Amino acid sequence: GDSVTQMEGPVTLSEEAFLTINCTYTATGYPSLFWYVQYPGEGLQLLLKATKADDKGSNKGFEATYRKETTSFHLEKGSVQVSDSAVYFCALSDAMSEKLVFGKGMKLTVNP
Amino acid sequence: DSGVTQTPKHLITATGQRVTLRCSPRSGDLSVYWYQQSLDQGLQFLIQYYNGEERAKGNILERFSAQQFPDLHSELNLSSLELGDSALYFCASSWDSRSYEQYFGPGTRLTVT
Repeated sequence: GDSVTQMEGPVTLSEEAFLTINCTYTATGYPSLFWYVQYPGEGLQLLLKATKADDKGSNKGFEATYRKETTSFHLEKGSVQVSDSAVYFCALSDAMSEKLVFGKGMKLTVNP
Repeated sequence: DSGVTQTPKHLITATGQRVTLRCSPRSGDLSVYWYQQSLDQGLQFLIQYYNGEERAKGNILERFSAQQFPDLHSELNLSSLELGDSALYFCASSWDSRSYEQYFGPGTRLTVT
């Protein structure tokens, strides 16, 4: 079945550091790819998405590019802030199954 | 605020008991999804309803059931509770049956003692 593998962490960075969270997927067909973020005590929020190969999703300084050749959707941010401390989930949606499949999530802590 | 509401926020109950979790989707959304988040299993899809009908089923135990009512709110019923059912239960909604963009509620934290 479909699956998502991502860095699990936890990861601690200093403010203004560069962030990369790796995510690779296995799916039949052409899934849509997502990054969700979960701030402490809250539900998941959609951070960004890409629905086809070579699409780049971006939001709040975060970016991820749908790479079909490497089946990857790595999340990057050039300069993290303390407010980015959260758990980040990579996910895919297969149009055939109509459900989201999540990676295990990665906890990020950003220190001042 | 995603527009999805879940009640109650916290629930503490004993093994063997039965509980009902409630979810109201965003205005206009027809699909409701239920997820379980636990430390060992991560975030697991349980079940999806679309406009009152069951649409997709994931790793949902037979002791668990759900339904979506004509006003589109949904309830997740958990029975014969076990210690291992302690988890965060999230509801999400989307406007159609495709899960391109799901909006999550704040979750219900269930503790089984």
